[in-house]
Formats: sequence, C-alpha cells, structure tokens
Amino acid sequence: EAQVTQNPRYLITVTGKKLTVTCSQNMNHEYMSWYRQDPGLGLRQIYYSMNVEVTDKGDVPEGYKVSRKEKRNFPLILESPSPNQTSLYFCASSLSIPRGTAYGYTFGSGTRLTVV
Amino acid sequence: GQQVMQIPQYQHVQEGEDFTTYCNSSTTLSNIQWYKQRPGGHPVFLIQLVKSGEVKKQKRLTFQFGEAKKNSSLHITATQTTDVGTYFCPRSLNAGGTSYGKLTFGQGTILTVHP
Repeated sequence: EAQVTQNPRYLITVTGKKLTVTCSQNMNHEYMSWYRQDPGLGLRQIYYSMNVEVTDKGDVPEGYKVSRKEKRNFPLILESPSPNQTSLYFCASSLSIPRGTAYGYTFGSGTRLTVV
Repeated sequence: GQQVMQIPQYQHVQEGEDFTTYCNSSTTLSNIQWYKQRPGGHPVFLIQLVKSGEVKKQKRLTFQFGEAKKNSSLHITATQTTDVGTYFCPRSLNAGGTSYGKLTFGQGTILTVHP
C-alpha cells in the first residue's frame, strides 16, 4: 500500500531532550515536507526537500533540523525541544512532474508532540 | 510568493444545502491544489487545476479555475455529513513556474454540516 509512515504517533517529552520524528514513504517520491498544525494557525511548512541531499527552509524552520540521506526517509529533528513546539506534525511526500511542480502531497497520519 | 486568500473562514450548512469556498490570489497562479482534512485526520489531496477556465468534477464536488488563473472555487452540491472538515487551497512558491515542493497552507475553510 502506497503510504507515508511517521513515528511515533504520540510523544510526550521534556524541554531540552533531543528527539527525532521519523518519516518514510514507499512511493519513490522526490519531494518530502514537514508541517506543523496549530489551532488558529493552520498548517505551516517547516522544511521541505526536493530530493536526496537537497533541503530548504519552509515558513517556520527555527528550532528544527532535517536530513535527506535516502530518498524514502525524511526525519525531523528537534535538538532542544521547547514547549512552543508542542503541536501536531505531519510529514508529506509528492511526485515531481515536469517543470518541477509537486503534484499533490500525500500526508502521513500525524505525530502529536507535547513538550513539558 | 503569491498571496492566496480563502473565504469564508467558517461555513455552517444544513445537510442537503450547497456549499462553496473561494480562493483568490493577487497574482496569476501557475496551478492550484485543493485538500480536505476531516476532524482528527490528515490532509488529503483532492485535485490540481492547471489550465485557465478549467472545471473538474468529483461526484458532488466541482472545482473551477478562473479564466485569469487568479481565483478558484470548490462547490459541493447537496452537502452530506461526510463533507465535514477543513478545505484548503495552498499556494506554491513560483520560480519560473516551478514549486519545488514548497506549499503554503492557510487556515482553510472549516465546514460543518448539521443533519
């Protein structure tokens, strides 16, 4: 089944303790992306990746890191989580069609992170 | 990047009524995508429109792309409780017509349907 898998689904952690949220897709998609969703603020893009070893900042990259060493994986790293990073996180992937357009992101089921 | 405004922010309808949400851009769009997110769920890609004046249908959903490619609409005929959710029309970064995967979502339109 074609899908984007993120883990864990739920995570409670303490301020300052480094964590990684994993994301994997099995569709051979070039584009991958991380979003966070907060009430009243909609979905905001954190980082995105156009292909292996190519990443760029989205709208809210502060406090996050990503890497794209393999095409299928795009982990999100919080080096020193803070309470304002408590949020619902979504990973997504997309096929690249001619002229570099991303054709419709497929989203994972989300990771609800709480930082206390 | 392009600014896309989506209206209304909220819409409450009675089951069976029609519903329309609009996306308006200050600049010409190369394409527009629509997504739906059910309460407690993740966004799901519905469709992408590319051509000026394009109209596409998916059962009770009708998507339109304006002639000037500056606006788009999603119309749902005879809403059902399964239509409840948030509908998004994110905007793409455009550098010579390419998005490179940067897709900015706003708050969308939240639709509630009363049975």
